[in-house]
Amino acid sequence: DAKTTQPPSMDCAEGRAANLPCNHSTISGNEYVYWYRQIHSQGPQYIIHGLKNNETNEMASLIITEDRKSSTLILPHATLRDTAVYYCIVSGVSGGSNYKLTFGKGTLLTVNP
Amino acid sequence: GAGVSQSPRYKVAKRGQDVALRCDPISGHVSLFWYQQALGQGPEFLTYFQNEAQLDKSGLPSDRFFAERPEGSVSTLKIQRTQQEDSAVYLCASKQGYSYEQYFGPGTRLTVT
Repeated sequence: DAKTTQPPSMDCAEGRAANLPCNHSTISGNEYVYWYRQIHSQGPQYIIHGLKNNETNEMASLIITEDRKSSTLILPHATLRDTAVYYCIVSGVSGGSNYKLTFGKGTLLTVNP
Repeated sequence: GAGVSQSPRYKVAKRGQDVALRCDPISGHVSLFWYQQALGQGPEFLTYFQNEAQLDKSGLPSDRFFAERPEGSVSTLKIQRTQQEDSAVYLCASKQGYSYEQYFGPGTRLTVT
């Protein structure tokens, strides 16, 4: 699986948009970009995933560059409960279903009041 | 509905003891994963089951680690002759066959003294 690079930490004001970048320059054609987050003392939580098109769900938006070498996770209106470590993961699809996740160190997002 | 549950939530073992960690996945989820998370690090893949078949155990750090899922539902991760370096949070995740989302349990925090 391709490796990802994320800033170790970011701050965001409550109510503002949080934009979390991720570089994955070695991503291959059949690999998806996943975002998970981990709130302190909890298990990781799935946020969103995409292949090449931008995606949006009730939690966030995912913007993937045209060359697929980087992406940005957008939390449109950050709240204090969004304070967590955010992981950008690139993972291939094997046999029709995704497989193990390779986590890096992620980005610690701190939302400030 | 019920999520992934793990027990015990906390386990303290003396060096050399054997431990068994239990994972109850979401009902009907075919795939089950175990991850190990050291303090300050992202989770690392240990092993993967599809139903009762262990399809990948490449992440198990040594032959002291053993996982099973005999009936394709509940899984147990066993660590024999625990060492201090085994201290970590052990996470279990499950997913439906062709889903992209892994659902994580809260983890078991193992401390080896």
